[in-house]
Amino acid sequence: DAGVTQSPTHLIKTRGQQVTLRCSPKSGHDTVSWYQQALGQGPQFIFQYYEEEERQRGNFPDRFSGHQFPNYSSELNVNALLLGDSALYLCASSLVGQLNQPQHFGDGTRLSIL
Amino acid sequence: AQSVSQHNHHVILSEAASLELGCNYSYGGTVNLFWYVQYPGQHLQLLLKYFSGDPLVKGIKGFEAEFIKSKFSFNLRKPSVQWSDTAEYFCAVNGGSSSNTGKLIFGQGTTLQVKP
Repeated sequence: DAGVTQSPTHLIKTRGQQVTLRCSPKSGHDTVSWYQQALGQGPQFIFQYYEEEERQRGNFPDRFSGHQFPNYSSELNVNALLLGDSALYLCASSLVGQLNQPQHFGDGTRLSIL
Repeated sequence: AQSVSQHNHHVILSEAASLELGCNYSYGGTVNLFWYVQYPGQHLQLLLKYFSGDPLVKGIKGFEAEFIKSKFSFNLRKPSVQWSDTAEYFCAVNGGSSSNTGKLIFGQGTTLQVKP
């Protein structure tokens, strides 16, 4: 049973560039959430996708956008990268409505902005 | 505002010592509570969760946590830590009502270092 997979593992970009991160949810899950984890901090919720639509959004600028595909996989796009976007980006999957069930996390993509 | 606060940022213990990590939350309404662990180089894994019933919950690897509603707390405990418990620990909460999406709010994490 495949868990949550994310790609790439590491990424180095420069300021102003754009980046796309990818996530495949755990088998059987239909909801994907994205989190940003800065160094020394807990993960911060970016947004959640269900049925190919953004269901809820955290306090992140419009430079952060996403997409969910019919197979439930998801992408996180960040435009006009800033130094402060350097972080570990985590994808988590779950089953809609199962609030008392834990989200399953991937290994993350470490994004470094030079 | 919804928030989670973990009191200890960095804890250093010797093997066999007892552990208690504090977690307090601020959230209106029904909540589900979680403790996640992140071992070096690994992804976040669930240690234990509380959503209803007995406020004392037991998780994997001998960990337990107690939900005290009146104190808005969900402290993590382990009677005797091992070197392999060295990791980062995160407390998290989500809204328990059906209108919620399951968005998790995390604390800032506690780094536990266990000396052999």
